[in-house]
Amino acid sequence: KAGVTQTPRYLIKTRGQQVTLSCSPISGHRSVSWYQQTPGQGLQFLFEYFSETQRNKGNFPGRFSGRQFSNSRSEMNVSTLELGDSALYLCASSRGQGVTEAFFGQGTRLTVV
Amino acid sequence: GQQVMQIPQYQHVQEGEDFTTYCNSSTTLSNIQWYKQRPGGHPVFLIQLVKSGEVKKQKRLTFQFGEAKKNSSLHITATQTTDVGTYFCAGRGGNKLVFGAGTILRVKS
Repeated sequence: KAGVTQTPRYLIKTRGQQVTLSCSPISGHRSVSWYQQTPGQGLQFLFEYFSETQRNKGNFPGRFSGRQFSNSRSEMNVSTLELGDSALYLCASSRGQGVTEAFFGQGTRLTVV
Repeated sequence: GQQVMQIPQYQHVQEGEDFTTYCNSSTTLSNIQWYKQRPGGHPVFLIQLVKSGEVKKQKRLTFQFGEAKKNSSLHITATQTTDVGTYFCAGRGGNKLVFGAGTILRVKS
């Protein structure tokens, strides 16, 4: 079956702009989580959605937001981009909350100039 | 909030040597997962441990979950060049899956 699909793969934006990233989970998976990965910082948890509801949120400013649609596809939005937002943004899907493994997409590489 | 610490940050070994990465949580975990991320790739699930004191093996990889369910380790016996990458532990306490910072493994042939 198809894996987790993230679009776009690469993105270059300028400071102050906003960006929307998309994630299509594996068919049948209802939970989608987003992570920011930067060198030396590991995977920083952004938020988790399950059945269109945000279930958990990490310690990121309000400029970072997300949503999940009825088909489980998810988007995350970053407004007023800063240079420090340059990172690999990874989406992970799982069947549900709790003890299930996460399947990661290839990520979106965002560069803010 | 829940924190997961992972050490070492970086390890460079000679091919054939063993490798171990350790993970410690500030809180008791319901389960712990391990992932591997190859250079330029995305994290891929390796295994999940749920029971206190659990030990699981995958070929040359041995995973352990501590008795108190607050620490875990991944040991690779006789490393190979295909083992290079970053190994992450991820602990679940409550509904949140918290990742460690990862251990970067480099293998010299």
